[in-house]
Amino acid sequence: AQSVTQPDIHITVSEGASLELRCNYSYGATPYLFWYVQSPGQGLQLLLKYFSGDTLVQGIKGFEAEFKRSQSSFNLRKPSVHWSDAAEYFCAVGASNTGTASKLTFGTGTRLQVTL
Amino acid sequence: NAGVTQTPKFHILKTGQSMTLQCAQDMNHGYMSWYRQDPGMGLRLIYYSAAAGTTDKEVPNGYNVSRLNTEDFPLRLVSAAPSQTSVYLCASSYQDRGPNQPQHFGDGTRLSIL
Repeated sequence: AQSVTQPDIHITVSEGASLELRCNYSYGATPYLFWYVQSPGQGLQLLLKYFSGDTLVQGIKGFEAEFKRSQSSFNLRKPSVHWSDAAEYFCAVGASNTGTASKLTFGTGTRLQVTL
Repeated sequence: NAGVTQTPKFHILKTGQSMTLQCAQDMNHGYMSWYRQDPGMGLRLIYYSAAAGTTDKEVPNGYNVSRLNTEDFPLRLVSAAPSQTSVYLCASSYQDRGPNQPQHFGDGTRLSIL
């Protein structure tokens, strides 16, 4: 069975500082990987996804993530954080062997706080 | 664009009562799913439907769904228990077209069971 680990429950960064959120997955084949963001009282919004090809993927809002097969990781990065980035971030894995990424397994989330 | 609409946004139930959470999408998506979100637990898949007329469950008890048409995917709590206190999120996507078709989420229903 697939699984996702987000080791950091809560991270605080200063506005303008760089950000890296960690995500490790467990899956037997090449996974489909996603990062979602959730603002308070809102649903989840897709930031970016990886399923094949270039291991460095670009997403919305200036985010990027790098797939590292050897480390089973898919860390999310942003060079300069804005106060509006404060939210909860979820990493998720979808099963590639069924031909669909629709059944997702989520990590427990990382809450990002941005100080001014 | 409405996207995925969930109602109600908040509700309080008493133990043993039943309730239906509504989810509707207007994007002609074949695939719909329900997750519950609990602090420190992330999102957990409860039920999904690959198309109208089909459903499949991920957790065994306490929930029921129907998929009579493409647009609607209601989730029913048969006899509510305090352990079902959670935020319920509905999502939809195009049917089985892989990761190029991301899931769209509703804003959730926050349900408290006393």
